Amino acid sequence: DTGVSQNPRHKITKRGQNVTFRCDPISEHNRLYWYRQTLGQGPEFLTYFQNEAQLEKSRLLSDRFSAERPKGSFSTLEIQRTEQGDSAMYLCASSFGQSTGELFFGEGSRLTVL
Amino acid sequence: QKEVEQDPGPLSVPEGAIVSLNCTYSNSAFQYFMWYRQYSRKGPELLMYTYSSGNKEDGRFTAQVDKSSKYISLFIRDSQPSDSATYLCAMSAGNAGNMLTFGGGTRLMVKP
Repeated sequence: DTGVSQNPRHKITKRGQNVTFRCDPISEHNRLYWYRQTLGQGPEFLTYFQNEAQLEKSRLLSDRFSAERPKGSFSTLEIQRTEQGDSAMYLCASSFGQSTGELFFGEGSRLTVL
Repeated sequence: QKEVEQDPGPLSVPEGAIVSLNCTYSNSAFQYFMWYRQYSRKGPELLMYTYSSGNKEDGRFTAQVDKSSKYISLFIRDSQPSDSATYLCAMSAGNAGNMLTFGGGTRLMVKP
């Protein structure tokens, strides 16, 4: 399968713990995006990378959140000191070059904070 | 008020019906308009992509954009039970980064 791959698919953690999600984009795509989706809502933009450079961050991305994309390939999203309000689906998407709209999403990583 | 508004539904129709899904938006900078389909506990899947105003057809799906009214639509002809999903509209100004702004999604149920 050559689509966007996300791991783990589901993570249950206790409040205050740190969690990390990984995204492997479609191989030729140089742009990578993280979105967050809560139940009954549409996805909300968190951050995006062009190659290894993080070029935009939403104000939704508090200082407990950090994203990296070393070498411009896979990306990780870490949430430190999780809170119950962090419970959501974290979606990764990728796109190619200057394309304007055709984002391809992964299956998502669902976070449940107890 | 949200930048993109979408009726959450649920919308229930019999198999074979024509379905009309709609979104309104407030940001006149949006130029690129998309419809994604999302099955339960899955990631969004791109269905239709349209630039500026006009219509686009792909099989049973037709997307319409009316920028003057800030209104977009997705029509599904001959709806099937497998079309039961949440439909998300999304749009972008096409600026650097191309961040998408999504509607909240409309849940569609097609009954056999």
